[in-house]
Amino acid sequence: DTAVSQTPKYLVTQMGNDKSIKCEQNLGHDTMYWYKQDSKKFLKIMFSYNNKELIINETVPNRFSPKSPDKAHLNLHINSLELGDSAVYFCASSPITGAGYEQYFGPGTRLTVT
Amino acid sequence: SQQGEEDPQALSIQEGENATMNCSYKTSINNLQWYRQNSGRGLVHLILIRSNEREKHSGRLRVTLDTSKKSSSLLITASRAADTASYFCATDYNTDKLIFGTGTRLQVFP
Repeated sequence: DTAVSQTPKYLVTQMGNDKSIKCEQNLGHDTMYWYKQDSKKFLKIMFSYNNKELIINETVPNRFSPKSPDKAHLNLHINSLELGDSAVYFCASSPITGAGYEQYFGPGTRLTVT
Repeated sequence: SQQGEEDPQALSIQEGENATMNCSYKTSINNLQWYRQNSGRGLVHLILIRSNEREKHSGRLRVTLDTSKKSSSLLITASRAADTASYFCATDYNTDKLIFGTGTRLQVFP
């Protein structure tokens, strides 16, 4: 069984569209994250949720809205997609909130905005 | 930016050789972690070292931490072609979030 799974793996869409990426973890972890990795492999945290509650919200445009229906799921909805949103988006989870614990990453969703 | 710097950016070695990657960071930390990313895949956690630790081992991996120099190194001994990947350090800067470094691309030739 995959510990952290994301769907879809690839997403190609046009500017202005709205899209969602889904993430699920079966590790029983309390904390989940969204990261963005750009074309230079720079990985940056976007959001963090602990047991459905938002705890980290970096300076991300409000076109990005995370939603956590339960602690095993964290989805990312993106409105009005722009060219600069093209990147690989990773979901991750950790047992407890805080940077002192290892994080388990999903396989990534490669988003291409044309 | 608090992003850590990794050195070298790219490293090519032959199988059986050792690979050393370095990570420098900017301010005090509680923890430092190393991750591996194979091409087109997610990151995989390798080692976590706390600020009061100086060295940790895991199999063929050895991580050192020098808080006075604000630097860490990852040594992979007896490298294999399967070690080909990008390696990232990540620090917490006494916060709840991880700040990832710029990464080192390691190529191990058979």
